[in-house]
Amino acid sequence: QVQLVESGGGLVKPGGSLRLSCGASGFIFSDYYMTWIRQSPGKGLEWLSYISPSGTVIYYADSVKGRFTVSRDNAKNSLYLHMNGLRVEDTAAYYCARGQQLADYWGQGTLVTVSS
Amino acid sequence: YVLTQTPSVSGAPGKTARITCGGNNIGSKNVHWYQQKPGQAPVLVVYDDSDRPSGIPERFSGSNSGNTATLTISRVEAGDEADYYCQVWDSTSDHPVVFGGGTKLTVL
Repeated sequence: QVQLVESGGGLVKPGGSLRLSCGASGFIFSDYYMTWIRQSPGKGLEWLSYISPSGTVIYYADSVKGRFTVSRDNAKNSLYLHMNGLRVEDTAAYYCARGQQLADYWGQGTLVTVSS
Repeated sequence: YVLTQTPSVSGAPGKTARITCGGNNIGSKNVHWYQQKPGQAPVLVVYDDSDRPSGIPERFSGSNSGNTATLTISRVEAGDEADYYCQVWDSTSDHPVVFGGGTKLTVL
């Protein structure tokens, strides 16, 4: 069965950096677009970024463009989100998901808290 | 592209609940619906307007026409209480993936 497991969240000061990871299993990772979506506390869903199977097509939401970088390692069945210049408003649960036009499988999420 | 959802909807057990998602000419797009229970990750419950992923009960159905897409939950159960989000892919936009603001379904 499809499994997505995020890790790397935690508490970081404003301006700091974090790298989130998402390990995938149960499907051919290199065949699929992958996506990062976040949800601020008590708020709705925000589609942050997606990356094509080969890594050549990448999209970022305006809210993270220039600060966050998505990447993948198909040999390791892993998706990453490198987050720099973190702001208080980046505090959220971060989910990795499979897909581009829709997210058919989601991980359980990892919590990022940006606070001084 | 903006998707508009009513913040809250209620439904009695055994009855039918309808959650709407409004958008300009949304009927021309494929609409997907996600269910999110408290403390859990979202789950896809309807895709491409009206298809259900495997494992999703037939009680969940969708429709899409004109400026409104609708998620219909028949024979509502207590376990259906959750937030529901609609989502579309707008290929004409620089920001192609759009979520609605979500609707909280309360089971009475």
